[in-house]
Amino acid sequence: EVQLVETGGGLVQPGRSLKLSCVASGFTFNNYWMSWTRQAPGKGLEWVASITNSGGSTYYPDSVKGRFTISRDNAQNTLYLQMNSLRSEDTATYYCTRIRDWGQGTLVTVSS
Amino acid sequence: DVVLTQTPPTLSATIGQSVSISCRSSQSLLHSNGNTYLNWLLQRPGQPPQLLIYLVSRLESGVPNRFSGSGSGTDFTLKISGVEAEDLGVYYCVQSTHAPLTFGSGTKLEIK
Repeated sequence: EVQLVETGGGLVQPGRSLKLSCVASGFTFNNYWMSWTRQAPGKGLEWVASITNSGGSTYYPDSVKGRFTISRDNAQNTLYLQMNSLRSEDTATYYCTRIRDWGQGTLVTVSS
Repeated sequence: DVVLTQTPPTLSATIGQSVSISCRSSQSLLHSNGNTYLNWLLQRPGQPPQLLIYLVSRLESGVPNRFSGSGSGTDFTLKISGVEAEDLGVYYCVQSTHAPLTFGSGTKLEIK
């Protein structure tokens, strides 16, 4: 059974940092591109970052470029999202996904 | 970036009714390898998204066969043949042919 388990969310002040983790199991992790997608309360899905299976290339939308960094540890089957200079508009549930499979999400709330 | 235009934004159906959702892409989703990476997701209330259809028309394992996908190039359709109560939620198309990953804005299915 495929599982994607995200951790690391919480309440953080604007301008601070947070690092999310996603542990994958049930499939060959290093064969797949992985992505982070987020969903603000009551809104649709927004792509946040993607990384190639080797970790050699990463992709971001303009809304997070320069602030967020996606990375992976294929030996540990783990995906990461380092989020710096957080803003109120980054408040959302963050999902780890390979599109075929999704985690349950972790809630990030940016507020003073 | 590829823009996916989903219609209608909301849909109200009775049990047993058949409905269709359209997803139009701003550019062809045919990959150079011959595949078309257009998928359909369902997000039930309070749940993460789940994959229903991949590669335009392939039914994900465990998904009822009342769901079907069709289309090519830039025009795609999700059809539910005989809506059931458990089908309520928001449906998204998502493409991964062209980086970055992009999502449609969603179609909310309500049960009358």
